[in-house]
Amino acid sequence: DAGVIQSPRHEVTEMGQEVTLRCKPISGHNSLFWYRQTMMRGLELLIYFNNNVPIDDSGMPEDRFSAKMPNASFSTLKIQPSEPRDSAVYFCASSWRAGIGGYTFGSGTRLTVV
Amino acid sequence: GESVGLHLPTLSVQEGDNSIINCAYSNSASDYFIWYKQESGKGPQFIIDIRSNMDKRQGQRVTVLLNKTVKHLSLQIAATQPGDSAVYFCAETVNFGNEKLTFGTGTRLTIIP
Repeated sequence: DAGVIQSPRHEVTEMGQEVTLRCKPISGHNSLFWYRQTMMRGLELLIYFNNNVPIDDSGMPEDRFSAKMPNASFSTLKIQPSEPRDSAVYFCASSWRAGIGGYTFGSGTRLTVV
Repeated sequence: GESVGLHLPTLSVQEGDNSIINCAYSNSASDYFIWYKQESGKGPQFIIDIRSNMDKRQGQRVTVLLNKTVKHLSLQIAATQPGDSAVYFCAETVNFGNEKLTFGTGTRLTIIP
């Protein structure tokens, strides 16, 4: 298995632009998580899905952020419009046993908003 | 300018020595704990987990100890190697099987050759 695949690895965009981050979870995993990592706040859970349904989006910072999971093999995290304070590393993770055994994380997308 | 951010505890250990990384958790209802390792430029990687009905669990070169009385978790790495240099996070959850993990701030471990 190729693991959790995220794209792009790096994204540099101008303030006000729309940014879309993509994630392909491990086949067979039924839960998917989006995390943000910054020096200021560490790892923060933004949203997670179970069987493609959003379960908890209380970590989504504001309405500029949205996430979708149209099928079991794909998810997107969109920021529109982006702001410099959104600069961070965004991780996608997946799991198959309700978190037992932990998540498998992707390599992350480093987002820089200038 | 000065950067402001999380102050990561750091630990430097001579190669071949044992290391102990500590984690204090705040939620007494937490009953499942996981240690993750994050190398530079990579996502966190699962190392070992423990349920609250245990106080010790061993893996390959790693041991996790859980002290529920003082809400303390530790990760022991035996015979450290350069590849062990990374940031280590503890994570906790309430109700074993609950998917929502809460991560600690992490400890940076540096192995000195």
